[in-house]
Amino acid sequence: GNSVTQMEGPVTLSEEAFLTINCTYTATGYPSLFWYVQYPGEGLQLLLKATKADDKGSNKGFEATYRKETTSFHLEKGSVQVSDSAVYFCALRRTGGFKTIFGAGTRLFVKA
Amino acid sequence: SAVISQKPSRDICQRGTSLTIQCQVDSQVTMMFWYRQQPGQSLTLIATANQGSEATYESGFVIDKFPISRPNLTFSTLTVSNMSPEDSSIYLCSVEAPGQENTEAFFGQGTRLTVV
Repeated sequence: GNSVTQMEGPVTLSEEAFLTINCTYTATGYPSLFWYVQYPGEGLQLLLKATKADDKGSNKGFEATYRKETTSFHLEKGSVQVSDSAVYFCALRRTGGFKTIFGAGTRLFVKA
Repeated sequence: SAVISQKPSRDICQRGTSLTIQCQVDSQVTMMFWYRQQPGQSLTLIATANQGSEATYESGFVIDKFPISRPNLTFSTLTVSNMSPEDSSIYLCSVEAPGQENTEAFFGQGTRLTVV
């Protein structure tokens, strides 16, 4: 079946540090991959996406590359800010009415 | 894209009562999804709602506990029935944007439910 595994948190970094949150997936077919972010007390927002192998999604300084050979979609940011403190969810989905499958979420704390 | 409005945004309810959550979308969509996010946890799909047919429930969720209505292509409700403290969660409505390939799902802001 389809599943997503992401690194456990919490992750605590100092401002301007480099961020990596690992995500690997298992899927049948050719899913799209996503990173969603949930800020404290808020709903879920799409951060970035990639729809096929070798695609790179990027937004707000965050990047992730769809690696089919390693079934991975790791999230990276070169310099985190306090405002990046949130929970990050890796997810996959196939088009055509399929549900979104989420990883467990990784909580990020960024200290000033 | 799709804009989703959920109501209420939060509520505190007594155990044994029921709460109905509304989800309104600004465009017509075929399928709507209801998720639950328990405190500190990831999102779990409760059911998929198609217009004009019975909702399809995931393992561990039943219609008597979480009845769903889908009267048209832009609206759905989820009822949490006979609530207990274990039902305290965020409930989220989600849709797939129509007419696009390989598209993400869009989410409402969620309903934060506390059962006391």
